[in-house]
Amino acid sequence: NAGVTQTPKFRILKIGQSMTLQCTQDMNHNYMYWYRQDPGMGLKLIYYSVGAGITDKGEVPNGYNVSRSTTEDFPLRLELAAPSQTSVYFCASSYRQREQETQYFGPGTRLLVL
Amino acid sequence: RKEVEQDPGPFNVPEGATVAFNCTYSNSASQSFFWYRQDCRKEPKLLMSVYSSGNEDGRFTAQLNRASQYISLLIRDSKLSDSATYLCVVKKLTGGGNKLTFGTGTQLKVEL
Repeated sequence: NAGVTQTPKFRILKIGQSMTLQCTQDMNHNYMYWYRQDPGMGLKLIYYSVGAGITDKGEVPNGYNVSRSTTEDFPLRLELAAPSQTSVYFCASSYRQREQETQYFGPGTRLLVL
Repeated sequence: RKEVEQDPGPFNVPEGATVAFNCTYSNSASQSFFWYRQDCRKEPKLLMSVYSSGNEDGRFTAQLNRASQYISLLIRDSKLSDSATYLCVVKKLTGGGNKLTFGTGTQLKVEL
């Protein structure tokens, strides 16, 4: 199993450009998540999905959109990139809601908006 | 007040030392607790879950005090490879998946 994979690893965007961050998991996990991590800060939840066709907002959803058409894929869309979106983005997944169930993270995408 | 608070460090310790990290959480509805490890420029990885009775995994011991809303991680016989940032994580079960709240992390540097 590859686990959780993310592409691209690094990207530079100009203000106002758009892009999609890709996330795929091969563990047949129902739940998937997108986080951002700013320097010296904890991870903040952007969006999450409890299954194909179902998505919901997290703590910091503004400026982002997601879709979940399949169990495996959970892309994150930035429509109008802003410097405040410069961050490291992590995708994660988990199987179900058992108490000690935790999340498995992808390697991250570093985004710089200039 | 932050939901999960940690001393950011860095903690600089010699190899072989014992070091302890503390974490406090503000939401009494928090149900599960974890320590994650994050290496520089890498993704977080689960180090260990934290159980109410306390638990040990090799050189690592985790403790939970629900009354004080306090979690700790003890590392014995520190190795150079233990150098990383340790994230305290709490979870609330909700209808929308298991939402994790992350602390900002405590940086550990183990030196020769």
